[in-house]
Amino acid sequence: NAGVTQTPKFQVLKTGQSMTLQCAQDMNHNSMYWYRQDPGMGLRLIYYSASEGTTDKGEVPNGYNVSRLNKREFSLRLESAAPSQTSVYFCASSGRMRVLGNQPQHFGDGTRLSIL
Amino acid sequence: TQLLEQSPQFLSIQEGENLTVYCNSSSVFSSLQWYRQEPGEGPVLLVTVVTGGEVKKLKRLTFQFGDARKDSSLHITAAQTGDTGLYLCARNDMRFGAGTRLTVKP
Repeated sequence: NAGVTQTPKFQVLKTGQSMTLQCAQDMNHNSMYWYRQDPGMGLRLIYYSASEGTTDKGEVPNGYNVSRLNKREFSLRLESAAPSQTSVYFCASSGRMRVLGNQPQHFGDGTRLSIL
Repeated sequence: TQLLEQSPQFLSIQEGENLTVYCNSSSVFSSLQWYRQEPGEGPVLLVTVVTGGEVKKLKRLTFQFGDARKDSSLHITAAQTGDTGLYLCARNDMRFGAGTRLTVKP
């Protein structure tokens, strides 16, 4: 069972470049999430999508955009990458959320992004 | 400002020892989740606690939600090397603590 698949696993960008991180889940989940994880900070929610066709800002949305392409796929875009966006990015999915956090989340293995 | 404080930040123990890690908040929250994360992987949910005073057991792991719903603890009995990892707590609004990095030495 694949679960949540993230691509790419590693990426190095130069400041100002753009990039889209891809996420797909095969669990028929309604809700999907993007987090970033930095040393000493835990995970911070960037954006989430409660259901297909909806997206909402999380704790740290600035500098990012998202697209819920269909039920399976939720992408995260950096339009003009900055060194402060160097991080490990995790995608997660869950059953339909009534309120944020009321469903257990299943995480992918992350994308390690370095911006020079 | 970390809304969820986890302590200790690092913990290194010998196999067979017991340990407790903590997750504290200054505000009340309706539920809390505990995750374990291994290097190079995403977090994996261990348990969700919902009711104040609730105790849940998962084999050698015991999770407790404080009566006032502002804190939680995770107790591991007779730790094994396979328990090594980063233990994260998360509030119902998906705010995570910074985690406790546990190393269990053989």
